[in-house]
Amino acid sequence: QKEVEQDPGPLSVPEGAIVSLNCTYSNSAFQYFMWYRQYSRKGPELLMYTYSSGNKEDGRFTAQVDKSSKYISLFIRDSQPSDSATYLCAMSGIQGAQKLVFGQGTRLTINP
Amino acid sequence: GAGVSQSPSNKVTEKGKDVELRCDPISGHTALYWYRQSLGQGLEFLIYFQGNSAPDKSGLPSDRFSAERTGGSVSTLTIQRTQQEDSAVYLCASRPGTGAGTGGYTFGSGTRLTVV
Repeated sequence: QKEVEQDPGPLSVPEGAIVSLNCTYSNSAFQYFMWYRQYSRKGPELLMYTYSSGNKEDGRFTAQVDKSSKYISLFIRDSQPSDSATYLCAMSGIQGAQKLVFGQGTRLTINP
Repeated sequence: GAGVSQSPSNKVTEKGKDVELRCDPISGHTALYWYRQSLGQGLEFLIYFQGNSAPDKSGLPSDRFSAERTGGSVSTLTIQRTQQEDSAVYLCASRPGTGAGTGGYTFGSGTRLTVV
């Protein structure tokens, strides 16, 4: 079993829809939780960064962390075709190198 | 520069040859990481540098892989005697440090390595 599980999709939704992306994890030591967006042939771009449990909102993006369930989510409101990309969840502990452990990534397409 | 710079962006090499991949992190970032992204796979940790500390090499897949970081800045990842399974995108990332609240990693665009 992988430390971080993420449905690879693909996920296709119409423009304007609310998108929900999720990851589950097994390591209770994870404290930092991130969402990255990756366009084709580009490096991952940090979207959201949260510490421990709770919600964080930034424009059309909301990240939620539920440590009791070992479950994190990213919501995209009013989705746009430019949001079409692969979304990667990532997390780390607070000790040492704080190496990121990534999910497999969900490929998202927003249809005009 | 403003971001993490990697070179070359693409590299095609023959099986058995050695390759060097370069990463120039954001100025002032003391933490530097190398990851590998294979087709259809997530990112796999390779190696980590923090300041003058000994690197964490726990993710290197074999002794054909090595990396160094000179002067606490530029890093080079070397793959000796390349094999076809080494074909992947090699990504470099940097952070200001590793203290609490330091923030997320900034990634470069990667080097796409193809071994033929």
